[in-house]
Amino acid sequence: EAGVTQFPSHSVIEKGQTVTLRCDPISGHDNLYWYRRVMGKEIKFLLHFVKESKQDESGMPNNRFLAERTGGTYSTLKVQPAELEDSGVYFCASSQLTGYTDTQYFGPGTRLTVL
Amino acid sequence: TQLLKQSPQFLSIQEGENLTVYCNSSSVFSSLQWYRQEPGEGPVLLVTVVTGGEVKKLKRLTFQFGDARKDSSLHITAAQTGDTGLYLCAGINNAGNMLTFGGGTRLMVKP
Repeated sequence: EAGVTQFPSHSVIEKGQTVTLRCDPISGHDNLYWYRRVMGKEIKFLLHFVKESKQDESGMPNNRFLAERTGGTYSTLKVQPAELEDSGVYFCASSQLTGYTDTQYFGPGTRLTVL
Repeated sequence: TQLLKQSPQFLSIQEGENLTVYCNSSSVFSSLQWYRQEPGEGPVLLVTVVTGGEVKKLKRLTFQFGDARKDSSLHITAAQTGDTGLYLCAGINNAGNMLTFGGGTRLMVKP
C-alpha cells in the first residue's frame, strides 16, 4: 500500500511568487492534515480535512494560505504571495479515523524556500 | 511558547549506553505519542500512551506517561547506531485531530 506522497519535494521561489503544494493521502483515508515546521521551531498544525470539508483550520497563519481538497482525495496548499517567513518544511498526514489513539501517517514533506 | 518541551535538544552517546529523553507540558493531553523522524522523511509513529502511569515497551525502548498525563519519557537501553535520529513527542487534543509537537531531541549514537 502506498504511503502519503507529497509534491514537489523541494521548491525554491522568490518573495511575492505563488507556490502550490500537493498531498496525496493513503487511499481510503478520509482525514487529511497539513503541518509545517519553520526553521528552529516545532512542527505546527495548520488544518484538518474530513473528506472535502475543512474540519479545523485554526492553525492557518493568515489569508495568504489556501488549502483545498476538492473531491475528497488529494489536497493542495497554495501560498500567495509567499513571504520569507513561509520558508520551512510542509508535512501532510492522513488517517482513517479521528481519535486520540488513531495514527496519522506522514508524508516526506515539501521543503519550501522563499528567497 | 512551546506547549511541549523536550529535553535534551541534542544527545550524543556511545553505542551500548542508555539514555532518557523527556517531554514535559503544563497542559493535559488526551494521549501522547512518540515519533521518530529520519532525514528527508516525515515523522513515523513509535507508540501512543493514553492512561496516566502507563508504561509501554518496544524492544529496547520504554515509554512512560506521567500520572497526571502531562509528561512522558522515552528510555533507550543499550543504544545502537541505528537509533540515531530525531525523536518527537506529540500531544493529542480531545477531538483527536490535532497533534501538538515538542521541539524534538536529536540523538546521535556513535560506534
